[in-house]
Amino acid sequence: GESVGLHLPTLSVQEGDNSIINCAYSNSASDYFIWYKQESGKGPQFIIDIRSNMDKRQGQRVTVLLNKTVKHLSLQIAATQPGDSAVYFCAEFSGTYKYIFGTGTRLKVLA
Amino acid sequence: DTGVSQDPRHKITKRGQNVTFRCDPISEHNRLYWYRQTLGQGPEFLTYFQNEAQLEKSRLLSDRFSAERPKGSFSTLEIQRTEQGDSAMYLCASSRFRGLGYEQYFGPGTRLTVT
Repeated sequence: GESVGLHLPTLSVQEGDNSIINCAYSNSASDYFIWYKQESGKGPQFIIDIRSNMDKRQGQRVTVLLNKTVKHLSLQIAATQPGDSAVYFCAEFSGTYKYIFGTGTRLKVLA
Repeated sequence: DTGVSQDPRHKITKRGQNVTFRCDPISEHNRLYWYRQTLGQGPEFLTYFQNEAQLEKSRLLSDRFSAERPKGSFSTLEIQRTEQGDSAMYLCASSRFRGLGYEQYFGPGTRLTVT
């Protein structure tokens, strides 16, 4: 299938290691954030979300950290697996309905 | 939730032809979005519906593009007189307030190739 994000920043990690993917957001008034995973030829898949009144939120093998001071989000994936290989996007939600997407990061998991 | 579905998944058309895409959102999601995505980019907002009302249309959307959501359920996106620059992945998403905020879920997309 066709690849998404041929020229995106790439993070290569060894299988079993932890991955950290970073995202800078633009609007200090944004109050809700979502991380998405996008595999080649597919639509973005919801992974985890966080509100602006939180610093950290954990899911299954994933943790999102929010630093409002520097407008920075990170997604941590524990024990990275080959199936985690994809492009990851963060999205910020501000106002009443609009989402703005950051530049994606390609994660490559090395066997 | 059965997920957002889109049809067709792929469309190849000749320049100048009209194309129409369909999106079926998750049931009971009152918000529906269309995005366009090109290689190496995140989804780019095109338009937004709350129920059947189209509340915003991006300036990126020329007059050749039109979207409808006639009964507040499924939506269609039509592109008239297609151009090669319209080649992209067209994504539909729906959302409703749940948990922490308006969780937004995407469909698989329609890949348009204009030759």
